[in-house]
Amino acid sequence: SQTIHQWPATLVQPVGSPLSLECTVEGTSNPNLYWYRQAAGRGLQLLFYSVGIGQISSEVPQNLSASRPQDRQFILSSKKLLLSDSGFYLCAWSPPDRTYEQYFGPGTRLTVT
Amino acid sequence: DQQVKQNSPSLSVQEGRISILNCDYTNSMFDYFLWYKKYPAEGPTFLISISSIKDKNEDGRFTVFLNKSAKHLSLHIVPSQPGDSAVYFCAARSGGSNYKLTFGKGTLLTVNP
Repeated sequence: SQTIHQWPATLVQPVGSPLSLECTVEGTSNPNLYWYRQAAGRGLQLLFYSVGIGQISSEVPQNLSASRPQDRQFILSSKKLLLSDSGFYLCAWSPPDRTYEQYFGPGTRLTVT
Repeated sequence: DQQVKQNSPSLSVQEGRISILNCDYTNSMFDYFLWYKKYPAEGPTFLISISSIKDKNEDGRFTVFLNKSAKHLSLHIVPSQPGDSAVYFCAARSGGSNYKLTFGKGTLLTVNP
C-alpha cells in the first residue's frame, strides 16, 4: 500500500530564516505531488504541483518554492520566511490517471515568530 | 472568489441518526467532487468522490449526492458514529485543470453519544 511521509511535524522559525519541508511517497511510481497550505479558519490552498521530476507548477505567487529531485520526493523551501507563512502545510499525492483522488500526508505545523 | 462554499461551519447530531453535510459551488467546469475528513493536526483523509455525470455515489455508510442544476453537493452519513466527529471538506476539480482541487472551508461535525 501507499504511504506518504512529511517532516518535521511541527516547526517554529523566526522571520527571515530559511525553510525546508520534505515529503516522500512510498508504494507507488510516478505520482503527481502537491503542496497545500491551510491558514487558520480557511480551506486548503494549492501552492505547487508536480507531474514529474524537475517539473513544478506554481499556483500562488509567494516567497515559497518547490523542487522534486526524485520521483517520490517533494520539497518546499523558502529563503526568508514571513509572518504570513505560518500555517499548516500538507503534501499530497495522486495517481497520474486519477488526479482527482489526492491523498494527504500528516502535515507540518509551521509557526513563524 | 469562493467557488466552493460550505455555509455551515458546524453540525451536531446524535449517534445513530443521519448527518447531512452540504456544499455549494459556482464553477460549471468542475468535473469531479470529493469529500475529505480531517482530524485535528492530521492530513485530510479521502472519503468519497463523484463524477459530474452522476447524481449519486455510495460507499458503505457514506453517500454523496450531486444536483448539477442547483450546483449543490451533499454528503450523507448513516448511521452517524462518534468516530465520525471531524471537520469535513468538500472539494472540486476543474475540468480545465487536471490537478487543482478547490476546497471549501470545512464543516465541523460532532456526533454525540
